[in-house]
Amino acid sequence: SQQGEEDPQALSIQEGENATMNCSYKTSINNLQWYRQNSGRGLVHLILIRSNEREKHSGRLRVTLDTSKKSSSLLITASRAADTASYFCATDVQGAQKLVFGQGTRLTINP
Amino acid sequence: GAGVSQTPSNKVTEKGKYVELRCDPISGHTALYWYRQSLGQGPEFLIYFQGTGAADDSGLPNDRFFAVRPEGSVSTLKIQRTERGDSAVYLCASSPEGLASRARVFGPGTRLTVL
Repeated sequence: SQQGEEDPQALSIQEGENATMNCSYKTSINNLQWYRQNSGRGLVHLILIRSNEREKHSGRLRVTLDTSKKSSSLLITASRAADTASYFCATDVQGAQKLVFGQGTRLTINP
Repeated sequence: GAGVSQTPSNKVTEKGKYVELRCDPISGHTALYWYRQSLGQGPEFLIYFQGTGAADDSGLPNDRFFAVRPEGSVSTLKIQRTERGDSAVYLCASSPEGLASRARVFGPGTRLTVL
């Protein structure tokens, strides 16, 4: 079963704008990860944030984590057409070794 | 190898048939995971191996699904008496250890279509 819910389900913006995607989850976690998927095939790991961290940066990506609200956000700054993809949050649930994915946000960057 | 590989990339079969899907993880990765992804959905966990043993098979939907990893490297997901509802992309991932602190490296997936 899916752990997380992502919001929005779909997002369409102009190239150069910032894109923000949100994720909520239900149980206690060890860490939260964001993945990107093109064309419904293999997922690519983007960034991992541990449960004791609040914010993390990687290039144009910024991730925040609020464990009290059980939520996370992914910000992509200065978006490019090549950022068009589906983005998934996934949680490493405490007491288990499985990564549980949300439903994903389909991001479209218009040139 | 350089990445996780999965074969075949596409598999079309008829309802009731048996299929095997193969996953070749990154060399040295002891943890291996199988996921299933339906159209428009996020990946759904099926089973996790640590070495040769299935440490968590709680995601397998029923007893038609079975997976093995006899030598702790290559894994095979086996589906008996396939049903149309089994149609999905089956993803395999591996990570260096079974610790809950690692990014998973995913393969390109096998798209299974049951007619």
